[in-house]
Amino acid sequence: AQTVTQSQPEMSVQEAETVTLSCTYDTSESDYYLFWYKQPPSRQMILVIRQEAYKQQNATENRFSVNFQKAAKSFSLKISDSQLGDAAMYFCAYNDRGSARQLTFGSGTQLTVLP
Amino acid sequence: DSGVTQTPKHLITATGQRVTLRCSPRSGDLSVYWYQQSLDQGLQFLIQYYNGEERAKGNILERFSAQQFPDLHSELNLSSLELGDSALYFCASNKGTVQETQYFGPGTRLLVL
Repeated sequence: AQTVTQSQPEMSVQEAETVTLSCTYDTSESDYYLFWYKQPPSRQMILVIRQEAYKQQNATENRFSVNFQKAAKSFSLKISDSQLGDAAMYFCAYNDRGSARQLTFGSGTQLTVLP
Repeated sequence: DSGVTQTPKHLITATGQRVTLRCSPRSGDLSVYWYQQSLDQGLQFLIQYYNGEERAKGNILERFSAQQFPDLHSELNLSSLELGDSALYFCASNKGTVQETQYFGPGTRLLVL
């Protein structure tokens, strides 16, 4: 079974600084998708960024970018120019082309942004 | 706003009771996924429906059941409720292929007293 591990339960960053959230996963599949979702205090799950495993280029969405290392099964999220609104729980998630289409989530990293 | 709607937003009930959570997917989406978020178990997949048929099952208890109706909305039925069923229940939708991102509804907060 696929597993997703987020080893940093909590992190903090100063406003305008850069922070990197870590995620590792375990799979025997070669074709899969990775996601970062953000869950602010409202509890809404919001997609931040996604990465297709067959693409070597790291995904980027404005201030959010990933460092995807397929061989190492690592998928970190970098947030540049952190803003107060970035404070949230961040979840790393995985799914593949198997018969099941569900997302497998990590345990989350609570990000605090300090003014 | 993801386009996925869930009702009710909050639900408070007693142990032993039965509740129904409702989800309407985004326009054009055929697949609905149910997830449970609890403090001790994290985010867990419960069940997936595609165009009215069950496609995948996760860690769903036998006391729980779901269905997807012809208009594609879905209902999650939770019965014989226990204190441990208190959680945030999310519905997500997409067109049903793995390439498609799942978009989440706002969730239903269930509190069992």
